[in-house]
Amino acid sequence: GENVEQHPSTLSVQEGDSAVIKCTYSDSASNYFPWYKQELGKRPQLIIDIRSNVGEKKDQRIAVTLNKTAKHFSLHITETQPEDSAVYFCAASENREKLTFGTGTRLTIIP
Amino acid sequence: NAGVTQTPKFRILKIGQSMTLQCAQDMNHNYMYWYRQDPGMGLKLIYYSVGAGITDKGEVPNGYNVSRSTTEDFPLRLELAAPSQTSVYFCASSYPSGGYEKLFFGSGTQLSVL
Repeated sequence: GENVEQHPSTLSVQEGDSAVIKCTYSDSASNYFPWYKQELGKRPQLIIDIRSNVGEKKDQRIAVTLNKTAKHFSLHITETQPEDSAVYFCAASENREKLTFGTGTRLTIIP
Repeated sequence: NAGVTQTPKFRILKIGQSMTLQCAQDMNHNYMYWYRQDPGMGLKLIYYSVGAGITDKGEVPNGYNVSRSTTEDFPLRLELAAPSQTSVYFCASSYPSGGYEKLFFGSGTQLSVL
């Protein structure tokens, strides 16, 4: 089955700086890669996703890049703000039934 | 729309007790899922369902059972609670159309087995 590794497990950045979280996956058949944000005590929510026919996708301050050859994808957050503090999970899937999640990155934005 | 509703929000069980975690969605989603989230870990899929009457095992199904008699409801049953089942449980659903759509999560159930 699919195995998703996520790094780093914790990340602290100064407000206004950029944050990058990286994930690698094992199953070359995976073709869908979402990112979920989970604020403290809240439910996970989708913030951005990418499919294998696209190398990069942006949504305001958030971007995701995908390298299918190397089997890794990354989340980039620019101009970080205090409300970006949360746990971020990457995931990978070959089909809609089974998303495999990474172990999460706790991002802390330092004012 | 209420979205995905989970009950209860918190529960403490004694070892060997049984309980059912309730999950209901009002978005007419065909796909529903149960995940568990252990501290510092990602979400692990327990069971999922692609429609009423159809269920299948996920990554960590042992100790759990599910049923899907209606499109709206997807309860998770713990028959003999064990300390290893202490976790936060999330129910989720997704769109019925083709492709890969986002998961809508419930607010979670924090379960402690003592």
